[in-house]
Amino acid sequence: GESVGLHLPTLSVQEGDNSIINCAYSNSASDYFIWYKQESGKGPQFIIDIRSNMDKRQGQRVTVLLNKTVKHLSLQIAATQPGDSAVYFCAENILGFQKLVFGTGTRLLVSP
Amino acid sequence: DVKVTQSSRYLVKRTGEKVFLECVQDMDHENMFWYRQDPGLGLRLIYFSYDVKMKEKGDIPEGYSVSREKKERFSLILESASTNQTSMYLCASSVRDTDTDTQYFGPGTRLTVL
Repeated sequence: GESVGLHLPTLSVQEGDNSIINCAYSNSASDYFIWYKQESGKGPQFIIDIRSNMDKRQGQRVTVLLNKTVKHLSLQIAATQPGDSAVYFCAENILGFQKLVFGTGTRLLVSP
Repeated sequence: DVKVTQSSRYLVKRTGEKVFLECVQDMDHENMFWYRQDPGLGLRLIYFSYDVKMKEKGDIPEGYSVSREKKERFSLILESASTNQTSMYLCASSVRDTDTDTQYFGPGTRLTVL
């Protein structure tokens, strides 16, 4: 399998649990944030995004929370499934600047 | 759906060879990017392009060059491959829009240089 996740922090959960993956971002001027999911052997896949004028955004089974005061981003996955097992990255940007800055990622392992 | 394709999933080359990695996107995106991904280092930007025939250096351009002759195609070139260029290479594209900078990725090319 892919070796990209060898040195990553790992979150292990049971199927059906809720998962929370955290990310600290670096630039207080960043105003746009994205979460990506990367499965073994595949490229990163867009999950959800949020702009800095929001604190929370919900998708299907996923919620992103943004705390600008402490520069913290989290991804909540409800009723985690084995298919959610992957590496999750956050990315930050200043809108219009066209370049993203990526975190190193967290590996999520879901046990049946 | 946005589709970004890369010419090879796996590639094995020898030190000193010239290597071409091709990326094609079908969504008429202005921006295209090349990254490499290594354990513990995350995604690092090699080069990007805002338009045809335009290119900008990213964070780690040394040993690489790029070509963008058509809007849909962005090529990464290793002029003389070295073993420290063994890595996963990811291509991405995005629309030039001040409301969103979401990048869409291809499946990646795992390059091994012997």
